[in-house]
Amino acid sequence: SQKIEQNSEALNIQEGKTATLTCNYTNYSPAYLQWYRQDPGRGPVFLLLIRENEKEKRKERLKVTFDTTLKQSLFHITASQPADSATYLCAPPSPNRDDKIIFGKGTRLHILP
Amino acid sequence: DGGITQSPKYLFRKEGQNVTLSCEQNLNHDAMYWYRQDPGQGLRLIYYSQIVNDFQKGDIAEGYSVSREKKESFPLTVTSAQKNPTAFYLCASKLYGTGGTEAFFGQGTRLTVV
Repeated sequence: SQKIEQNSEALNIQEGKTATLTCNYTNYSPAYLQWYRQDPGRGPVFLLLIRENEKEKRKERLKVTFDTTLKQSLFHITASQPADSATYLCAPPSPNRDDKIIFGKGTRLHILP
Repeated sequence: DGGITQSPKYLFRKEGQNVTLSCEQNLNHDAMYWYRQDPGQGLRLIYYSQIVNDFQKGDIAEGYSVSREKKESFPLTVTSAQKNPTAFYLCASKLYGTGGTEAFFGQGTRLTVV
């Protein structure tokens, strides 16, 4: 069956450094991947979408890559700030093309001042 | 302001009672979703609807029911058959289509059953 794996352990990064989060998927080939940010007690907020024919997408300090050979997407935050501390969720489409959105468990990111 | 609204933010119920969580959107979105999130866990899909008067079960539909009588509204009822209903419930909406459209989420309802 299809699987989405994110490092569910918390990631601690020093302020100013680049944070890199990983999303691995197995047993299917999504046409795109979305990344969301979730703060405690709140709903997720959309950040970026990258399609299978795009190697990289940027938005301000955020960068997402999509490697269909490795079946992996990397999410980078450059010049990280304490305000970037949150849980980041990877969301590929459903493999059944039925308009469901499925989410990885997310990675908790802590930016240390 | 366009958005998606869940109410209430906090809800307490006694065991054995049904409870209905509200979700309303004014974004003119066709598709709406209900997710459940437990502490330290990801989002699990309960039900989704792509069009009025139609909805499909997600991965954990047992003990839940929904209706979609209006495009703007997708209420979720947590029934007494749900074994462990205490959780954080999130509603989302998006434009219909499998080409990749972002989902907008409500602020969530934290349900506690005692």
